[in-house]
Amino acid sequence: ETGVTQSPTHLIKTRGQQVTLRCSSQSGHNTVSWYQQALGQGPQFIFQYYREEENGRGNFPPRFSGLQFPNYSSELNVNALELDDSALYLCASSSNRDSRYEQYFGPGTRLTVT
Amino acid sequence: AQSVTQLDSQVPVFEEAPVELRCNYSSSVSVYLFWYVQYPNQGLQLLLKYLSGSTLVKGINGFEAEFNKSQTSFHLRKPSVHISDTAEYFCAVRNLNTGFQKLVFGTGTRLLVSP
Repeated sequence: ETGVTQSPTHLIKTRGQQVTLRCSSQSGHNTVSWYQQALGQGPQFIFQYYREEENGRGNFPPRFSGLQFPNYSSELNVNALELDDSALYLCASSSNRDSRYEQYFGPGTRLTVT
Repeated sequence: AQSVTQLDSQVPVFEEAPVELRCNYSSSVSVYLFWYVQYPNQGLQLLLKYLSGSTLVKGINGFEAEFNKSQTSFHLRKPSVHISDTAEYFCAVRNLNTGFQKLVFGTGTRLLVSP
């Protein structure tokens, strides 16, 4: 069983640029959630994708957007980067058929905005 | 809305000593409760969860937690810690009534185990 993978592991961008982060779900999982973890903080829910549609969103502006593909992999896109977007971005996969309600997290992508 | 409070930002403890990491939550609806561990430069790993049933939950690596509904707490305990338990620990809740799987996390407690 393959775990959740994310790419790239590290990324440095300049304020105002755009970035795309990628996530491959664990085998058999059909739901992907994205979280932002700022330094010294707990993860904050950005949004969730199920059946290629966003079906839940946290308090993040529209410049945070995403995609889910037919193979359940996902992308997180952030436009007009700001310094405060510097964080560890975590992807979590799960199955809506799993009564254990477990989410499996990837290792994250560390984004630095300068 | 739900919120999670982890009262201790850092807990230093000696190896083989017991430890308790505190977690309190606030919610107007029923929730599921989780503890995750994060080792340096890694993602989150599930330690244990409470969904229903027995209020004492056992997880991996010798950790356990007790759900106390009246005190809205879900404290994590281990009777004897190891150096390898040094990590960041996060308590999280999930609203039972939403159709999506949003987890609300606390700010974390850093467990520092020294020899």
